[in-house]
Amino acid sequence: GAVVSQHPSRVICKSGTSVKIECRSLDFQATTMFWYRQFPKKSLMLMATSNEGSKATYEQGVEKDKFLINHASLTLSTLTVTSAHPEDSSFYICSAVQGVAGNTIYFGEGSWLTVV
Amino acid sequence: SQQGEEDPQALSIQEGENATMNCSYKTSINNLQWYRQNSGRGLVHLILIRSNEREKHSGRLRVTLDTSKKSSSLLITASRAADTASYFCATDGGTSYDKVIFGPGTSLSVIP
Repeated sequence: GAVVSQHPSRVICKSGTSVKIECRSLDFQATTMFWYRQFPKKSLMLMATSNEGSKATYEQGVEKDKFLINHASLTLSTLTVTSAHPEDSSFYICSAVQGVAGNTIYFGEGSWLTVV
Repeated sequence: SQQGEEDPQALSIQEGENATMNCSYKTSINNLQWYRQNSGRGLVHLILIRSNEREKHSGRLRVTLDTSKKSSSLLITASRAADTASYFCATDGGTSYDKVIFGPGTSLSVIP
């Protein structure tokens, strides 16, 4: 079946540094990917829609300059957390749609970010 | 932003019992999906039900959809300890590019 891979699965970084998380669709092309953030024991909050070849669409309240999204190819989207702070520590999950809209959406395994 | 709302938010049952989780949403949809998440892990897709469908089955799972009430239910029959996880409903909000919004989720504990 379709697989979405995220890397790294866990990362620890120092405050003030930037960290990049990759989301790859392994056996299908995805023109659109999505990035979510999840706090412990909470639901997933949509951060942005990543569009291949164009700018990402951010949800209200999400800082564009803080969370940089680049959808460089049909199989790769990256989320860069810039100038990280401890409050950015969270679980970040990406998803991708296989095929046309309305099909099953597949999620990556998520990436734990801890900012110290 | 969140679209769906799960009820109950936490559910504890004995192994072998059935577990029912409900989800309500606010806007029109193309489809509704249920996902499972084990603690600290990614999401596993369970079932997708389209807006023109009323019921769908997959193994021990039964999902219903009532678009007039904007609600869905997930029934897990003959629960097992391994079913312990969080369950989320997610809707696409009717948009064309599957911007999926999640409900708050139900935390299910199945006691052996």
